[in-house]
Amino acid sequence: AQTVTQSQPEMSVQEAETVTLSCTYDTSESDYYLFWYKQPPSRQMILVIRQEAYKQQNATENRFSVNFQKAAKSFSLKISDSQLGDAAMYFCAYMRGSNYKLTFGKGTLLTVNP
Amino acid sequence: DAGVTQSPTHLIKTRGQQVTLRCSPKSGHDTVSWYQQALGQGPQFIFQYYEEEERQRGNFPDRFSGHQFPNYSSELNVNALLLGDSALYLCASSYIAGGSAGEQFFGPGTRLTVL
Repeated sequence: AQTVTQSQPEMSVQEAETVTLSCTYDTSESDYYLFWYKQPPSRQMILVIRQEAYKQQNATENRFSVNFQKAAKSFSLKISDSQLGDAAMYFCAYMRGSNYKLTFGKGTLLTVNP
Repeated sequence: DAGVTQSPTHLIKTRGQQVTLRCSPKSGHDTVSWYQQALGQGPQFIFQYYEEEERQRGNFPDRFSGHQFPNYSSELNVNALLLGDSALYLCASSYIAGGSAGEQFFGPGTRLTVL
């Protein structure tokens, strides 16, 4: 079974600084997707960034970028120029192929200090 | 364009009772997945409905059942509620027929408390 591990229960960053959240996963599949979701106190799960396993190029979305290390099964999220609105729980998630079933990690609570 | 909606927002039940949660997918989406998120944990996959059929299921007992209607909306039913069923229940919709590369949209969730 696929597993997703987030080893940092909590992280904090100063406003305008950069922070990296870690995620590792375990799978024997070759066709899969990886995601980072953000869940603010409002509870709405919001997609931050997506990476297809077959793509070697790391995904980027504005201030958010990933470091996808396929051989090491590592998928970290870098947030640049952190903003107060970035404060939330961040979940790393895995999806095999296109079955639309997500396996989530336990999450990392990010605090942004002014 | 309305996103994914869920009702009710909050619900309080007692042990042994039954509950029904509802989800309307994003316009144009054909698939609904349900997740259970216990406090301080990541969401866990319950099951998924596509074309009014249960397409796949996670490791949840038969007390958890569901349904998808012709308009793609979905219900999650939980029978014989246990204290451990207290959680946030999330619904996610996607467009499988369109091959949207894994993109799913989540609703705001239903907070279920079992006393």
